[in-house]
Amino acid sequence: KNEVEQSPQNLTAQEGEFITINCSYSVGISALHWLQQHPGGGIVSLFMLSSGKKKHGRLIATINIQEKHSSLHITASHPRDSAVYICAVRDFGNEKLTFGTGTRLTIIP
Amino acid sequence: DAGVTQSPTHLIKTRGQQVTLRCSPISGHKSVSWYQQVLGQGPQFIFQYYEKEERGRGNFPDRFSARQFPNYSSELNVNALLLGDSALYLCASSLEDARSYNEQFFGPGTRLTVL
Repeated sequence: KNEVEQSPQNLTAQEGEFITINCSYSVGISALHWLQQHPGGGIVSLFMLSSGKKKHGRLIATINIQEKHSSLHITASHPRDSAVYICAVRDFGNEKLTFGTGTRLTIIP
Repeated sequence: DAGVTQSPTHLIKTRGQQVTLRCSPISGHKSVSWYQQVLGQGPQFIFQYYEKEERGRGNFPDRFSARQFPNYSSELNVNALLLGDSALYLCASSLEDARSYNEQFFGPGTRLTVL
């Protein structure tokens, strides 16, 4: 069973700061997701990656397969980025996603 | 294009009752997965269905069941509700087939409260 850990659990930063959220997992995976969840529950998929790096706007996701570690970066953070960011992994030969407990990000104007 | 839709958005039940939650996937998506998210925790996998067949099951009791219809919509049923079943129930769809894994797209969820 894969164990997924995220850090930090809570993060408060000033608008404009560079944000990094980390995710570590215990067993090799076929894919890793970064998800964003706003108050009220709706989840938006930000990235799915299995190697390297992906960029979308101010968001960057990287993954190091050998170290079983992924990071989500937000550049020029904005109050509307305030949300819970969740890392989820898919094991090889398994249909399900295993989720981390999330990082609650608050960006102060 | 409509995203994943779920109904109802909120639901209040009492212990011992039964509940049915519904999910309509994105058009063209054949795979539907169900997740339970208890307040303050990450989602937990319940079921995955692909082409109307169960492809995966999480560690949930037999009180939880699901099915997928020919139009790929899905229902999650929970019998004999317990207080601990209070949670946000999320549905996600994907193009996933037997050969490849694709990104999952989540619905807004159904918030179930058991009193």
